[in-house]
Amino acid sequence: DTGVSQDPRHKITKRGQNVTFRCDPISEHNRLYWYRQTLGQGPEFLTYFQNEAQLEKSRLLSDRFSAERPKGSFSTLEIQRTEQGDSAMYLCASSPPPGPYGYTFGSGTRLTVV
Amino acid sequence: AQSVTQLDSQVPVFEEAPVELRCNYSSSVSVYLFWYVQYPNQGLQLLLKYLSGSTLVKGINGFEAEFNKSQTSFHLRKPSVHISDTAEYFCAALLGRQGGKLIFGQGTELSVKP
Repeated sequence: DTGVSQDPRHKITKRGQNVTFRCDPISEHNRLYWYRQTLGQGPEFLTYFQNEAQLEKSRLLSDRFSAERPKGSFSTLEIQRTEQGDSAMYLCASSPPPGPYGYTFGSGTRLTVV
Repeated sequence: AQSVTQLDSQVPVFEEAPVELRCNYSSSVSVYLFWYVQYPNQGLQLLLKYLSGSTLVKGINGFEAEFNKSQTSFHLRKPSVHISDTAEYFCAALLGRQGGKLIFGQGTELSVKP
């Protein structure tokens, strides 16, 4: 197992464009999380899935953000009509079935909106 | 109210000196506590975690942390740091005992100087 994979590593896009990121979790982990991290800050929770079910979505997440995990394996995070404020590192993590486990994080996707 | 507070945003220290990175948590979170390390342009790596039992927890790379319930603290320590320990360190608490979302502190930048 190669851990949590995220693609792409870097994305530069023009304001107003749509972008999509992919996350492949550790295969036996049924929980998958998305976080956003801006410079000098800790990761901020966006949403998480248990299998294909989206269990929680942050109130900070605007309607321009949507996440899916259609088959309970990989997940995608889409941002529509990107704004400069969306520039950040988007981190994906996974964990085993419910319990007090730490997450395993991917290397992140750095988004720059110009 | 902030659930997890890291008291120092930056900690400069000389190589081979001891270091302590401070973390306090609010009583609104569970007592499942974690420390993560993040190297530049990478994801987060789990250093150690406290779930229950002994209040002194040992982790990777020679780090340890002590859980103090009365002071609601979970400070990270290392007796002798190396240049390679230069990184951002995040304290986190699990919100909910069944593997819900992790709440992160703002981070502490550890800078080890020769």
